[in-house]
Amino acid sequence: AQSVTQLDSQVPVFEEAPVELRCNYSSSVSVYLFWYVQYPNQGLQLLLKYLSGSTLVESINGFEAEFNKSQTSFHLRKPSVHISDTAEYFCAVSEGTGGFKTIFGAGTRLFVKA
Amino acid sequence: GAGVSQSPSNKVTEKGKDVELRCDPISGHTALYWYRQSLGQGLEFLIYFQGNSAPDKSGLPSDRFSAERTGGSVSTLTIQRTQQEDSAVYLCASSYSGGSGRGETQYFGPGTRLLVL
Repeated sequence: AQSVTQLDSQVPVFEEAPVELRCNYSSSVSVYLFWYVQYPNQGLQLLLKYLSGSTLVESINGFEAEFNKSQTSFHLRKPSVHISDTAEYFCAVSEGTGGFKTIFGAGTRLFVKA
Repeated sequence: GAGVSQSPSNKVTEKGKDVELRCDPISGHTALYWYRQSLGQGLEFLIYFQGNSAPDKSGLPSDRFSAERTGGSVSTLTIQRTQQEDSAVYLCASSYSGGSGRGETQYFGPGTRLLVL
């Protein structure tokens, strides 16, 4: 069965500092991987996803994540964060050979301080 | 419509009462998902629909929970004999599944905040 672990429930960081939000998954088959973001008082929206091909995927606002099959990880990184990146970030996995079921992690609250 | 809509936005009910939550997906989206978001618990998968059928109901917490979808569009999640532990935000999402469908982006509604007193 699939599972997703987000190791950090909260990550405080100063503006313009780099950040890494960690995500590990468990699955016995090939997977699709996602990062969703929930800004304050807004709904969940997709940040980026890995389906196949290049293991490094990027978002339009400077985040990137790398699929590491051997370590079963999909960590999210940004070299320099902004105040506006303050949000809750959810890692999610769905199995490539199964149905549409998507399992989400518990979320990591990123708090960017001035 | 422009996005996924859910109603009501807030619902307060008494323990033991039944509630119905509604989800209107994006037009043309064939896959529809229900999740529950409890404080500090992340998103808990409840059920998904492909068209009107629900191939995976494994996430429904108990037989008090049921869901249906009609016409490949609107879905309702029904909770019978509500309990205080049912209090949470219930989120609906939809996706287009024209190809294999797997790996498609899910578009989320604003959620229904349920409080059981």
